Amino acid sequence: TQLLEQSPQFLSIQEGENLTVYCNSSSVFSSLQWYRQEPGEGPVLLVTVVTGGEVKKLKRLTFQFGDARKDSSLHITAAQPGDTGLYLCAILIQGAQKLVFGQGTRLTINP
Amino acid sequence: KAGVTQTPRYLIKTRGQQVTLSCSPISGHRSVSWYQQTPGQGLQFLFEYFSETQRNKGNFPGRFSGRQFSNSRSEMNVSTLELGDSALYLCASSLVAHLGNEQFFGPGTRLTVL
Repeated sequence: TQLLEQSPQFLSIQEGENLTVYCNSSSVFSSLQWYRQEPGEGPVLLVTVVTGGEVKKLKRLTFQFGDARKDSSLHITAAQPGDTGLYLCAILIQGAQKLVFGQGTRLTINP
Repeated sequence: KAGVTQTPRYLIKTRGQQVTLSCSPISGHRSVSWYQQTPGQGLQFLFEYFSETQRNKGNFPGRFSGRQFSNSRSEMNVSTLELGDSALYLCASSLVAHLGNEQFFGPGTRLTVL
């Protein structure tokens, strides 16, 4: 059983559309991170959310941490081909430099 | 500032062989973590080194081992390779081994076991 469940697993949409991907768990976390991984590269940290209900914006990307700190969402407005990639949520295990990742959402934005 | 570098980028081995992968962290970073990424299991933590000591280990068999040198560079070794070891191996470095420190990932080494 995955600690972090991401949905959908795959998403293919047209340029200009909006989308939301989800990261869910039955556990409560002190913080949660979102990464984007492009082909041939390692994951790159996009954001860390810490407070329940927190909303963070990064240009056209909006990240939200659930009130109960068990889930998070990533919303992209007016998606562009450059947004294509694997989006991963992850938690950092307390007291260790160990990240636990969800399976990821593979996003394709078609021109 | 140079990022995390990993060598080689691609590697093909046969079952039963062993392999050594190398990771050079960002200058000044002392913590290096290794991850295995496969389509089926996703990204999984292998181990973490700090000041030449393995501090944390994931649920992988003893065939997977690593070490860190005094300059913080790290190597991981996989012995008696199996087909299932085919994966992208990523290393990540962080400034210090404190909770919340951002980890910076390298581009990975793509290992194919035939």
